[in-house]
This record gives sequence, structure tokens and C-alpha cells, in this order.
Amino acid sequence: ELKVEQNPLFLSMQEGKNYTIYCNYSTTSDRLYWYRQDPGKSLESLFVLLSNGAVKQEGRLMASLDTKARLSTLHITAAVHDLSATYFCAVDGVTSGSRLTFGEGTQLTVNP
Amino acid sequence: NAGVTQTPKFRVLKTGQSMTLLCAQDMNHEYMYWYRQDPGMGLRLIHYSVGEGTTAKGEVPDGYNVSRLKKQNFLLGLESAAPSQTSVYFCASSYRAGFSSYEQYFGPGTRLTVT
Repeated sequence: ELKVEQNPLFLSMQEGKNYTIYCNYSTTSDRLYWYRQDPGKSLESLFVLLSNGAVKQEGRLMASLDTKARLSTLHITAAVHDLSATYFCAVDGVTSGSRLTFGEGTQLTVNP
Repeated sequence: NAGVTQTPKFRVLKTGQSMTLLCAQDMNHEYMYWYRQDPGMGLRLIHYSVGEGTTAKGEVPDGYNVSRLKKQNFLLGLESAAPSQTSVYFCASSYRAGFSSYEQYFGPGTRLTVT
């Protein structure tokens, strides 16, 4: 059974600081997805990482994938309040077909 | 394009009542999914479909049924609602071209309360 674990689950940080969210998964996969969810809203796709060593950046967010370590990171640079949201990583394993398995989510609060 | 739409947005049911949630997508996607989201548990897959006329069980299928009679629609049914089915339900769709991803596109969600 594919398991996806995110760390931390809750993160409160000051504006201007840097931090990293970690996503570990338990089985072979070279496709990992990051989503953002604002309170009361749906999930919005942030990044799709399709191979070992993949790195993608959008604004203050950068995601990377290490398939050998079964680890993805979402790095936040110089956080701003608008980044406050819940961030989910998801994986589709080699035997999962089109199904994604989601982590529990990391609830990020950026304080002024 | 409207993307993925869900009907209704909110619903309150009494225990034992039945209802159907409708998901529609206009992106010609092959794959469609129903999830439920509960606090502290992320998203859990209820049922999914890999094409018109096909359905399969996900992680938490008990108490739910689905149908995909048309490619653009995926229906989720609750035959006899229970308080444990109080949740936010999300529909999603995806496609895969060549070796690209199964990136999923989500609908706005349906907030269901069973009393």
C-alpha cells in the first residue's frame, strides 16, 4: 500500500523567512504532484514533477524530487501572507494507474 | 471552458435519505475520481473511472455507488446516508498523453451534512 507522509503538518512562520515542507512516499514512483488549497476552496495544481532531480519554481515556491530517496521538498523563500494555505503532495505509484495518493497536507500560516 | 463542475454545492440530509452528486467536465478527460475530505485526513479516494462505462473502487467505497454513463459525467450516489458521510466531496478529472502525468483537475466541492 502506497503511503505518503508530509512533515510538518502545521507550520506557522514569519513573513520574510524561509522554510521547507517535506513529502516522503513509500513506493517506487517518478511522478509527484503539489497542490494548494485555500480555506473553503478546492485544490489548485502547483507543480508536477516527472523525473528524478526535477526542480520547478514559481514565485517564492520551489519544488524538487529525489526518487531514490522517495522524497520531495517544497521550499518557501521569503514567505508572504498570501502563501497561507494548505499544501498537499500526491504520488501515483507504478501500480496505481491513474490514481493519486495524497499526503495529509501541511497547513501553512504566514504571520506579519 | 468551465473545467470541472459539481452539483450541488451544499446539501443537508437526514440519516437514511438518499442523494446523488453530479460531476461534469468539459475537457474530454478519460479519468474521473470522487474523493472525500475530512479534517486531518487529507483526501481519500472513494471511486474512480478510467473511461466511459467503467468504474472501480477506491480506498473508502463502502456506502457509495457511482456511474459513468457518459464520458463527461461521473455520478456519486449515497443510498442511505449516515452521519459518518458528513464531509466535503471533491470530484476530479485527468488525462494522460504519452508518458506525461496524471495531473488531476478538481471541482469546487460539495459540502454534505448528514444529521
